[in-house]
Amino acid sequence: DGGITQSPKYLFRKEGQNVTLSCEQNLNHDAMYWYRQDPGQGLRLIYYSQIVNDFQKGDIAEGYSVSREKKESFPLTVTSAQKNPTAFYLCASSTLKGDSYEQYFGPGTRLTVT
Amino acid sequence: AQTVTQSQPEMSVQEAETVTLSCTYDTSESDYYLFWYKQPPSRQMILVIRQEAYKQQNATENRFSVNFQKAAKSFSLKISDSQLGDAAMYFCAYRSNNNDMRFGAGTRLTVKP
Repeated sequence: DGGITQSPKYLFRKEGQNVTLSCEQNLNHDAMYWYRQDPGQGLRLIYYSQIVNDFQKGDIAEGYSVSREKKESFPLTVTSAQKNPTAFYLCASSTLKGDSYEQYFGPGTRLTVT
Repeated sequence: AQTVTQSQPEMSVQEAETVTLSCTYDTSESDYYLFWYKQPPSRQMILVIRQEAYKQQNATENRFSVNFQKAAKSFSLKISDSQLGDAAMYFCAYRSNNNDMRFGAGTRLTVKP
């Protein structure tokens, strides 16, 4: 089955620790995205990547870092510099060709930092 | 940057009735894409419908249809014959030609039996 996987579903960390959220897709999509969702709010873009070894900051990139060493993988690191890291994180991917530009989403990771 | 506004934080509809969710956006582009996504309690984002800005015809997917008014920058979603399973958060999204995607704050839809 083609899709996007995010692991783990729930993640708990102590304040001051870096944590990496996994995102893998087997849809052969070029573009991948990371969003943050806070309660009762929409999705805010953290980072996105349109090609391997290249990525761009979104609206709220401070305190986060990403890498794109493989087309299939786009891990997100939440660093200790992120002031309010507790949130729901969604990874998405999309093709950049043809006429189908919607984003496909993973199931999300709920990160809790105490 | 483009902005997407959903002015209805919550909406309610009786089962089998019709409901319309509003969305407006701000852009200077002429070519772009618009989407409605559904997020049920599982929090999995599900594409409901999409509309290409260059197409004048409104998109339709079964019970879901849109009213796309390009000049007014409006993109409302109509759900006909509402079902209990339609209860969810609905997000309007705008995608520009440089692949930048913006989401509205969402509308929580409740379906009453």
